[in-house]
Amino acid sequence: QKEVEQNSGPLSVPEGAIASLNCTYSDRGSQSFFWYRQYSGKSPELIMFIYSNGDKEDGRFTAQLNKASQYVSLLIRDSQPSDSATYLCAVNVASSYKLIFGSGTRLLVRP
Amino acid sequence: DVKVTQSSRYLVKRTGEKVFLECVQDMDHENMFWYRQDPGLGLRLIYFSYDVKMKEKGDIPEGYSVSREKKERFSLILESASTNQTSMYLCASREDGDRGSFEQYFGPGTRLTVT
Repeated sequence: QKEVEQNSGPLSVPEGAIASLNCTYSDRGSQSFFWYRQYSGKSPELIMFIYSNGDKEDGRFTAQLNKASQYVSLLIRDSQPSDSATYLCAVNVASSYKLIFGSGTRLLVRP
Repeated sequence: DVKVTQSSRYLVKRTGEKVFLECVQDMDHENMFWYRQDPGLGLRLIYFSYDVKMKEKGDIPEGYSVSREKKERFSLILESASTNQTSMYLCASREDGDRGSFEQYFGPGTRLTVT
């Protein structure tokens, strides 16, 4: 069974701090990795994707991928209360159309 | 911008009713998906379709069927709704191609309650 693991949280950080969200996956053949943000009662919104080892930056968000360790993370710099949401990690199943989703980490940014 | 729409935001149905949930995407994507999301269980794939009239079972297909007669439209059918099908249903679409095209976009969701 291919799995994607995330700490459910909540992860609580003060406004302006860096929030670090982590995800591990079991399928060594996975090549595509995604971070979604989901506000309560809303659908997931794609915020970052990464395909290569290393870092990818987009504004306040940085995705980090380490395929050898089967680990992907999302850093949110200068966290804002509006960043408070559940963050879902998703990993493609090798040679498949499917994505496997983690159960999500709930982030709380305290004003 | 990719746009995925779903026919209803909220739906209340009675046990035993036949229920249709419809999803439309406007980006000419080959792949479309139906998920359900439940507290503590995360997102679970029900069915997906990689082309018109083509479908594959996901992880939890029991009690559901799907239809894809046109590329832009993917329907989820609950043949005889049961209370354990009360959930948030999410449709998604994604372009085919190499790994650079794997971004998957979700519709707004349909919260279905079966009484």
